[in-house]
Amino acid sequence: EVQLVESGGGLEQPGRSLRLSCKSSGFNFGDYAISWVRQAPGKGLEWVGFIRSEAWGGTSEYAVSVEDRFTISRDDSKSTAYLQMNSLNSEDTAVYYCARDRRVDAAMITWYYFDFWGQGTPVIVSS
Amino acid sequence: DIQLTQSPSSLSASVGDRVTISCRASQNIGNSLNWYRQRPRRAPDLLIYAASSLQSGVPSRFSGRGSGTDFTLTISSLQPEDFVTYYCQQSYSSPRSFGQGTVLELK
Repeated sequence: EVQLVESGGGLEQPGRSLRLSCKSSGFNFGDYAISWVRQAPGKGLEWVGFIRSEAWGGTSEYAVSVEDRFTISRDDSKSTAYLQMNSLNSEDTAVYYCARDRRVDAAMITWYYFDFWGQGTPVIVSS
Repeated sequence: DIQLTQSPSSLSASVGDRVTISCRASQNIGNSLNWYRQRPRRAPDLLIYAASSLQSGVPSRFSGRGSGTDFTLTISSLQPEDFVTYYCQQSYSSPRSFGQGTVLELK
């Protein structure tokens, strides 16, 4: 059974840092990219960023709103992805989800979609 | 950046109704469009990928169509558990934006 479990959320003061973890099981973690998506209270879904598998370079891309402050990394030996969040502000308050970012290549077309999600971990930024 | 606009933002319907939700992209995204359902206080679930491919385990009453800039999600016969929120999302380019969501309400 595919599972992703986020942890590390909590209450943090503005300007401080927090690191979230996404522990995965039930699939070959190293073969997949991982995305992070957040949802502020009462709001819609916002893509935060993703990290490619090592086979595709292991590089990351980010939303403009976080690209100078957040860093995604991975440790394939632990089947875990991380979201390092620095210089937190109130607008970062949200539930943070990690998702398996599936890549499908077919006939010169490539599709990506989030086929499995974690349960989410809440982050509250407040003094 | 690619913007996705869903319509309507909310929709009232009854059990057994057929409903369609639209998603319009600000530029051509081919068929790189996915649909998710989100139940209250739960993570989203994948319904449709690549505009029209039904994710494994998703009931066949869900269907997706479209390409280029205009896409639709249709639920052929609403069931009580379908009255939740739906999001489209593009995977054509980063940032992988979502639509603002459509809340499906019981009439």
